[in-house]
Amino acid sequence: DAKTTQPPSMDCAEGRAANLPCNHSTISGNEYVYWYRQIHSQGPQYIIHGLKNNETNEMASLIITEDRKSSTLILPHATLRDTAVYYCIVRALPSGGGADGLTFGKGTHLIIQP
Amino acid sequence: KAGVTQTPRYLIKTRGQQVTLSCSPISGHRSVSWYQQTPGQGLQFLFEYFSETQRNKGNFPGRFSGRQFSNSRSEMNVSTLELGDSALYLCASSPRSRLAGVYEQYFGPGTRLTVT
Repeated sequence: DAKTTQPPSMDCAEGRAANLPCNHSTISGNEYVYWYRQIHSQGPQYIIHGLKNNETNEMASLIITEDRKSSTLILPHATLRDTAVYYCIVRALPSGGGADGLTFGKGTHLIIQP
Repeated sequence: KAGVTQTPRYLIKTRGQQVTLSCSPISGHRSVSWYQQTPGQGLQFLFEYFSETQRNKGNFPGRFSGRQFSNSRSEMNVSTLELGDSALYLCASSPRSRLAGVYEQYFGPGTRLTVT
């Protein structure tokens, strides 16, 4: 799996857009970019995933560069409840019948300031 | 839709005992994965079940086992508990309705296991 690099921490003002970068310069053509977050003492929460096109859902937008070597997760109007550790994960589809799980690195600790 | 539920939420066991944890996936989800989370090792994949069959397994000893029922509910069992098994055990369900969604996983709140 491609390795990802994320800043260890970021601050963002409440109400502003939070832009979380992820570098995955060794990504392969068949690897997807997934974003999860984990709020303290809770299980991880799926946010969004994409292959090469930009994606948007009710939680966030995912912008993937044309060369797919980096991506940005955008939370359009950050609230205090968005304070969490955000994980960028790159995974290919399983070649066999089973999913061999997600590998969570250290992620970015996003702190939303009031 | 109700989310993933796990029972019990908290558990205290003694070394050498065994424990069974339960997970009910989101309705319609047929894939269930289990993870162990500790401060030192982070989140580690235990195994995945799909259609009552274990499809993949992480690097954990045979003391860790699981099963899935026809209604997709899953249980994991840890036998001969060790102090190092103290962790948050998380269950995640996936729709798996399209192949790309296999890693679109929805996690439960976890079971906090303490081994004394």
